[in-house]
Amino acid sequence: QVQLVQSGAEVKNPGSSVTVSCKASGDSLRMYSIVWVRQAPGQGLEWMGGIIPIFGTSHYAKKFQGRVTVTADESTNTAYMEVNRLRFDDTAMYYCARGTLNWLPDNWGQGTLVTVSS
Amino acid sequence: DIVMTQSPDSLAVSLGDRATISCKSSQSLLQSSNNKIFLAWYQKKTGQPPKLLIYWASTRESGVPDRFSGSGSGTDFTLTISSLQAEDVAVYYCHQYYNGPFTFGPGTRVDI
Repeated sequence: QVQLVQSGAEVKNPGSSVTVSCKASGDSLRMYSIVWVRQAPGQGLEWMGGIIPIFGTSHYAKKFQGRVTVTADESTNTAYMEVNRLRFDDTAMYYCARGTLNWLPDNWGQGTLVTVSS
Repeated sequence: DIVMTQSPDSLAVSLGDRATISCKSSQSLLQSSNNKIFLAWYQKKTGQPPKLLIYWASTRESGVPDRFSGSGSGTDFTLTISSLQAEDVAVYYCHQYYNGPFTFGPGTRVDI
């Protein structure tokens, strides 16, 4: 069973960028999908984007296209999500998940809290 | 993008009673080539990551109690908890993985 360990909480200023990492142990990320989902305070789950490293395929929700980049480093078995031009309403818990090649997330990281504050 | 809706927004159920949650998609999630429905259900508790309960609309994930069941076809789906337990208090989300970008429903809160 794969374990996904995400990087620690971040506090960022509006307009800056943040990168959240998601390191896998116990299995590879290469032959799976990796997706990023966030939950703002009091809100529901929001699918942001994802990648399948072996195919080089990626998808992004329209609202995040151009502002969010999802990548994977096969040498370190780590996935990354970068969010640029942070806004106050980007304050949320961000989750990575490993999924099937059909994009079904079935193993989740513990979450990373990103707070955007001036 | 495929839009997912859920009803009700919340419901309160007595211990041991049945809870039923509906989910609708704006287009069919059935892939005719393999007859699979790309619909999953997740349970989300405060302070925990989402937990996969059901995939392919009706296949229970390993380790999930059999009081959880999923049904439906095309665009209308149902998650049923046959006999609600205290540990089932959570928010439940349907999720389509048929067509990217993939989307979640708005969630249904289940309380006792």
